[in-house]
Amino acid sequence: GAVVSQHPSRVICKSGTSVKIECRSLDFQATTMFWYRQFPKQSLMLMATSNEGSKATYEQGVEKDKFLINHASLTLSTLTVTSAHPEDSSFYICSAVSLRGASTTDTQYFGPGTRLTVL
Amino acid sequence: SQQGEEDPQALSIQEGENATMNCSYKTSINNLQWYRQNSGRGLVHLILIRSNEREKHSGRLRVTLDTSKKSSSLLITASRAADTASYFCAPGSGSARQLTFGSGTQLTVLP
Repeated sequence: GAVVSQHPSRVICKSGTSVKIECRSLDFQATTMFWYRQFPKQSLMLMATSNEGSKATYEQGVEKDKFLINHASLTLSTLTVTSAHPEDSSFYICSAVSLRGASTTDTQYFGPGTRLTVL
Repeated sequence: SQQGEEDPQALSIQEGENATMNCSYKTSINNLQWYRQNSGRGLVHLILIRSNEREKHSGRLRVTLDTSKKSSSLLITASRAADTASYFCAPGSGSARQLTFGSGTQLTVLP
C-alpha cells in the first residue's frame, strides 16, 4: 500500500515550452502533497505544499507563476513548469500524506521522481 | 519544519559490516523519520521514531533517539550491496507537515 506514482519519469523539452508533471496517490487519498526538486548530489528542496481544493503554498524563492501547482482531487496533484529554461532542469519529486492522518506524525510517501531536461 | 543534519556525509564499508549514521537537530520534535534514496529515485520511508521512544527496530534497521542530545542514529546491520544509497533524516515538529532534508549520508557498501 501507500504507492505514489509520477508521470512522466523523464521528459526532455525545448526552452520556452511548458511541461506538466503528474503526481498520483494510487491506493490512498491524500489531502496534502508536496513538491520537491533535487539537483545532482544535493538534497531535496521543498518547493511547495499542495492541499486539495485550495491554493498551493510556495516556499520562499519559488516563483508561483513559473511553477503552477494544481491539486484538483484527493489523488492527483500536478506541477506545470511554464516557459521552461535550462536552469529548470532538475529532478522533481512529489510526496503525499494520507487522508487518514490527523497528526504531524504522518509519513510522507514519495513518488519515483521526474527527470526534466530543458534544452 | 527544521532540517536534520546527517553525519558522516559519506560512508564506505564492506558487505556484512554494520553501518551507523547520525542525525542532529536543533529544536524539540514530535518524531523523527529516516528515509533512503537510491540514485535517481524517490525516497523510501524506512522508519519513524516518536519523541517518547528511545529505540526502534525494523528488520536490519535500528534507530535510536536521544532527545536530550537532540540526536538520532540509524544502524544497518549486516549490510548488503543493495543498501548502497543516500540516507536522510527528517525531524518532525509543530503542526507543519513539511519535511526539510539535510544533505544526507551517502552509504556505499562494497561487495
